[in-house]
Amino acid sequence: DTAVSQTPKYLVTQMGNDKSIKCEQNLGHDTMYWYKQDSKKFLKIMFSYNNKELIINETVPNRFSPKSPDKAHLNLHINSLELGDSAVYFCASSQDTRANQPQHFGDGTRLSIL
Amino acid sequence: GESVGLHLPTLSVQEGDNSIINCAYSNSASDYFIWYKQESGKGPQFIIDIRSNMDKRQGQRVTVLLNKTVKHLSLQIAATQPGDSAVYFCAENTGKTGFQKLVFGTGTRLLVSP
Repeated sequence: DTAVSQTPKYLVTQMGNDKSIKCEQNLGHDTMYWYKQDSKKFLKIMFSYNNKELIINETVPNRFSPKSPDKAHLNLHINSLELGDSAVYFCASSQDTRANQPQHFGDGTRLSIL
Repeated sequence: GESVGLHLPTLSVQEGDNSIINCAYSNSASDYFIWYKQESGKGPQFIIDIRSNMDKRQGQRVTVLLNKTVKHLSLQIAATQPGDSAVYFCAENTGKTGFQKLVFGTGTRLLVSP
């Protein structure tokens, strides 16, 4: 049973389109995250939500809009996709926001912009 | 063998050797550190963590060492196996009290030859 699951696994689309990535965790965690991993494998936090409330927004362009309908789900909607958005996007969750709670990651969504 | 995780370097070892992967972190106020393993096409997988009030922690075949004086973290893998081949990331928690914000290192690729 997958703990953190993301859909779709692959997403190929054209510049200017709008797309969404979904994430669900069945761990009963309170906190969820979105990360972006570039072609050099550099992994950077984008957003963090705790109990459906935004707590971290790392100066991500406002074309990216996370939405948390409940604490088990954190979706990422991206408007007007650009070439630079091509990357692997990872969702993660942790028990809560405390520092000693490890984050558990999904297997990523590879987004390719044509 | 040893490696410093600055520009996704590669550490090549023989099966059965001990591996040491190093990481230099940036924030002297970081209070929590994690090592992750990322296999091809997968998300980062939690290996071991350590809090800043400790200097060593052991798991199954893995040991993490923390030297706060020089802001250095290392992961030691005993009796390395081919299944250990992956990219390894260190991460530090730079968030303020009560909010976890992980900053990841650039990663080290470990290649284990049979």
